[in-house]
Amino acid sequence: EAEVAQSPRYKITEKSQAVAFWCDPISGHATLYWYRQILGQGPELLVQFQDESVVDDSQLPKDRFSAERLKGVDSTLKIQPAELGDSAMYLCASSSGVVDTQYFGPGTRLTVL
Amino acid sequence: GENVEQHPSTLSVQEGDSAVIKCTYSDSASNYFPWYKQELGKRPQLIIDIRSNVGEKKDQRIAVTLNKTAKHFSLHITETQPEDSAVYFCAAGPPGGGNKLTFGTGTQLKVEL
Repeated sequence: EAEVAQSPRYKITEKSQAVAFWCDPISGHATLYWYRQILGQGPELLVQFQDESVVDDSQLPKDRFSAERLKGVDSTLKIQPAELGDSAMYLCASSSGVVDTQYFGPGTRLTVL
Repeated sequence: GENVEQHPSTLSVQEGDSAVIKCTYSDSASNYFPWYKQELGKRPQLIIDIRSNVGEKKDQRIAVTLNKTAKHFSLHITETQPEDSAVYFCAAGPPGGGNKLTFGTGTQLKVEL
């Protein structure tokens, strides 16, 4: 069964450093989502792509976060510079269309020291 | 924007008993309500979902009910088993596509032997 892949699974960094996360959605899924999940809370949408276009980034802190999906397949989420409050699980999800089920990846757990 | 509240935050039941988790939402335009199960260290997985054109949906031991008038929906798990122990998240999504899900804060379910 196809799954969403993410790497790295764990990342420890110091504040003010740059970090990047990678996501490979299920093949053929046009819609890709990046979520942030703080411990003890539900996932919060950061950015949504339809193919290579951003359709919603209203909750993305654009002064330090950026996301791209250049060829409409895999995606990268970057944080520069990282802050202590960025420590969280970063989840990627994909769906075959804007109204279909979202399938989640295993996440990247970020710790900022 | 949409706001989803979820209760209880923790729930402990004896094996074989039923478990009920409740969520309320604020945006009357929301019409898609999925439930995700997240085991420790694993990705969230969809267990059941319901759209606003139905009031109840069942899948073996799991059922979801929706009351659009009151803007609340509930997850019912019957004949609970130890493998049901996990964190459960409800979510609400908008009509017309876009599928921006707003998640609840999660319920830690523990099924005791």
